[in-house]
Amino acid sequence: GQSLEQPSEVTAVEGAIVQINCTYQTSGFYGLSWYQQHDGGAPTFLSYNALDGLEETGRFSSFLSRSDSYGYLLLQELQMKDSASYFCAVSPDSNYQLIWGAGTKLIIKP
Amino acid sequence: NAGVTQTPKFQVLKTGQSMTLQCAQDMNHNSMYWYRQDPGMGLRLIYYSASEGTTDKGEVPNGYNVSRLNKREFSLRLESAAPSQTSVYFCASNVRDGDLEQYFGPGTRLTVT
Repeated sequence: GQSLEQPSEVTAVEGAIVQINCTYQTSGFYGLSWYQQHDGGAPTFLSYNALDGLEETGRFSSFLSRSDSYGYLLLQELQMKDSASYFCAVSPDSNYQLIWGAGTKLIIKP
Repeated sequence: NAGVTQTPKFQVLKTGQSMTLQCAQDMNHNSMYWYRQDPGMGLRLIYYSASEGTTDKGEVPNGYNVSRLNKREFSLRLESAAPSQTSVYFCASNVRDGDLEQYFGPGTRLTVT
């Protein structure tokens, strides 16, 4: 089967840095993407990685290692508004639907 | 440019009733999707339409039907609602199937009693 694993919950302090990991087992690999979802809201796209390495978008960065079937989302200078659930999703093929992880709830303490 | 819109936002049904959830996108996307999300859980794909004129089952299609009415619109029908279908339903779209960036509608919160 195809599966993604990510921690169910991560806690961090405002102003700190947090990393949310995602490991995947899929039949193929086209890319890995990250989404944010606030309570009661819809998922919104954050970033994606198709090649190994780090992609930076403001306070958020995403990393991919295809050889390790592993990626992570790095959030810097945490703000209370970053409290949300974060989902990783993998596309096994350029013509295949996204496979979703179960999500990581990020709790930020003042 | 409204993105992805869904109606209704909230709905309460009795067991056995039917209803259709509507979804439309104005981004000229080829692919559209219906997901359900149960409390504290991830997204599960119900049905998808890779392009106008095609529809396919996802992970949890039982109890649902879909229609890709045209390139803009993709509806989800519950023929005989069951309490197990109480969930939040999201419609999403992207340029093409496999594209890593999907755009989501605001969701429909459905309760079946």
